[in-house]
Amino acid sequence: EPEVTQTPSHQVTQMGQEVILRCVPISNHLYFYWYRQILGQKVEFLVSFYNNEISEKSEIFDDQFSVERPDGSNFTLKIRSTKLEDSAMYFCASSEGVRGRSPLHFGNGTRLTVT
Amino acid sequence: GENVEQHPSTLSVQEGDSAVIKCTYSDSASNYFPWYKQELGKRPQLIIDIRSNVGEKKDQRIAVTLNKTAKHFSLHITETQPEDSAVYFCAANPGYSTLTFGKGTMLLVSP
Repeated sequence: EPEVTQTPSHQVTQMGQEVILRCVPISNHLYFYWYRQILGQKVEFLVSFYNNEISEKSEIFDDQFSVERPDGSNFTLKIRSTKLEDSAMYFCASSEGVRGRSPLHFGNGTRLTVT
Repeated sequence: GENVEQHPSTLSVQEGDSAVIKCTYSDSASNYFPWYKQELGKRPQLIIDIRSNVGEKKDQRIAVTLNKTAKHFSLHITETQPEDSAVYFCAANPGYSTLTFGKGTMLLVSP
C-alpha cells in the first residue's frame, strides 16, 4: 500500500535556526497538508496545498512558515526562525480527492525539538 | 470555523467490553466525519469514516453513528482487545475547509 513518507524522523535545532521538513505524498494524490501535534495534545491543522498554491491555512501558520512543492514529488515545510514553542511532531498528509472530503493519509511524522 | 468536542478524554475498559467515544461538532455544513487511531509514537491512521448522507456505518467490531440534527457522532468498538489500546481522534469537515480534530480519547483495554 502506498504511503506518505517524511524525512527526517527527528530534527533537533537551536532557537532561531531555520528548518526544512520534507514529505513525499502519495503519488496520485492532489491535496497536501501539514499538521502538527504538540506532545499529548490534539492534531492541529497548519496548511493545505493544492495545484501549487496554498488553499487554506490556520492561525498557527504565520509568516515564519512556508510550504513549497519544489518538484513533482516533494512537499516541504520551512520554519524560518524556530521558537521553543515550535517543538512538536509535524505530520504531512495527502488526500486523493476533494479537500477535506477524502481520507487523509498521514506520514510517520518528524519530531522537531527546538532547544 | 468548525469546533469539535470529544469525550471522554480517557476510557478504561476490560477486554471483551464495548467502548463508546462521543464527539460533537459546531458547523452544520460539516459532511465528512472520520475517526483516526494513533498508537504511541506513530501516525494517525484512519479506521472508519462516515458521510452526512449515512446514519450508521459498520466495519467488523467498529461502528460509527451520526446524528446530524444533534450534531454528534460516536465511535463504538465491541469486543475490545488489548491491541485496541490507543488514542482515538474524531474529526469533522465542513467541505469548505479541511479537517478539524477533536482532542482525542485515550482508550486503555485491560486483559
